[in-house]
Amino acid sequence: DTEVTQTPKHLVMGMTNKKSLKCEQHMGHRAMYWYKQKAKKPPELMFVYSYEKLSINESVPSRFSPECPNSSLLNLHLHALQPEDSALYLCASSQNRGQDKPQHFGDGTRLSIL
Amino acid sequence: AQTVTQSQPEMSVQEAETVTLSCTYDTSESNYYLFWYKQPPSRQMILVIRQEAYKQQNATENRFSVNFQKAAKSFSLKISDSQLGDTAMYFCALLAGGTSYGKLTFGQGTILTVHP
Repeated sequence: DTEVTQTPKHLVMGMTNKKSLKCEQHMGHRAMYWYKQKAKKPPELMFVYSYEKLSINESVPSRFSPECPNSSLLNLHLHALQPEDSALYLCASSQNRGQDKPQHFGDGTRLSIL
Repeated sequence: AQTVTQSQPEMSVQEAETVTLSCTYDTSESNYYLFWYKQPPSRQMILVIRQEAYKQQNATENRFSVNFQKAAKSFSLKISDSQLGDTAMYFCALLAGGTSYGKLTFGQGTILTVHP
């Protein structure tokens, strides 16, 4: 069982829809991450939250909007997505951003844009 | 900038045999950690093993061990007594401080298939 829970597991949406991906962890971690992963490729970092503050923005399009309501929750709001945004979206958490703190991943949300 | 290179896109092994996955990396940081993650078709990224750059002793976790050659910037993963459940994509990853603080740098991955 994963200690990082992501919902939903699958999401199909049209390009005009608005939806949200959710991520939750109860390990007391203070850093949380969103990754985008295409098939047979490594994950690409989208956002990092450290102590509920956005620390890194990897020039991700504004149609992706992260939100960290508290230290256990991380949301990714989606709006007006494009077909190329279809991918696996992984959430991860770690104790903090230190190099000795490994990141623990959730099962991911498989997103398909029609 | 940091880079991680996995030169073997795909590998296969017979059940119960041993297989080694290769990884090389580059970083200007003096303190860093290296990781191997496993991603089976069920898609969860699972941490397999980690190695601190300052430790000379190679890390071991049950059937998984690494060969860490710091001077050569090499970090290979050896899987002994391979099992069908080891079939997955394996990613080598680097986590360092400095300007890349908190950013995991992944290699391109190696697809490992274990045959019965």
